[in-house]
Amino acid sequence: NAGVMQNPRHLVRRRGQEARLRCSPMKGHSHVYWYRQLPEEGLKFMVYLQKENIIDESGMPKERFSAEFPKEGPSILRIQQVVRGDSAAYFCASSPSRDRYNEQFFGPGTRLTVL
Amino acid sequence: DQQVKQNSPSLSVQEGRISILNCDYTNSMFDYFLWYKKYPAEGPTFLISISSIKDKNEDGRFTVFLNKSAKHLSLHIVPSQPGDSAVYFCAPVTGANSKLTFGKGITLSVRP
Repeated sequence: NAGVMQNPRHLVRRRGQEARLRCSPMKGHSHVYWYRQLPEEGLKFMVYLQKENIIDESGMPKERFSAEFPKEGPSILRIQQVVRGDSAAYFCASSPSRDRYNEQFFGPGTRLTVL
Repeated sequence: DQQVKQNSPSLSVQEGRISILNCDYTNSMFDYFLWYKKYPAEGPTFLISISSIKDKNEDGRFTVFLNKSAKHLSLHIVPSQPGDSAVYFCAPVTGANSKLTFGKGITLSVRP
């Protein structure tokens, strides 16, 4: 049973370009969380999605960031017009439900570098 | 506004000795706490949890203690092994959507 997959593992973008980060949850998991880790910081919650629905986006910057989790295919975190401050590690986690006693399984992360 | 504080950024212990990693929180609504372990270039992996109805939970070499009145947790690893060298995050579960609030982490180094 494959774990949570994220790709690409490393992404380099120039300022103003778009970044697309993909997350395939574990088989049977329909709940996805995205977290961002800035240098020297802990992970910060960004958004929580179920299939085809954004449930909680309270941690997402209001502009340039969007997320989706379509019926088919991976969850996508999209960052438009990237700036240097977007350089970070982006992790997704999947869970079989929103039950707090269900473990969130994390992917290996995508390290975004903005030049 | 840091709701979860791991004030010691690093800890170094000798193999075989006890490692004690501390975590303080400010939000009295937190009632379920997780510890995650993270190696470089990997995602966090779940280690152990504790509910606020307990004050201790043990799993092999790992024990987590919770002092609700002090809003303080500690993770004990005994005996410590070199493979335990990693970053450890304290992460309370928040709200109905079960999002995690992470501390900044503690880098543990276990010397052979």
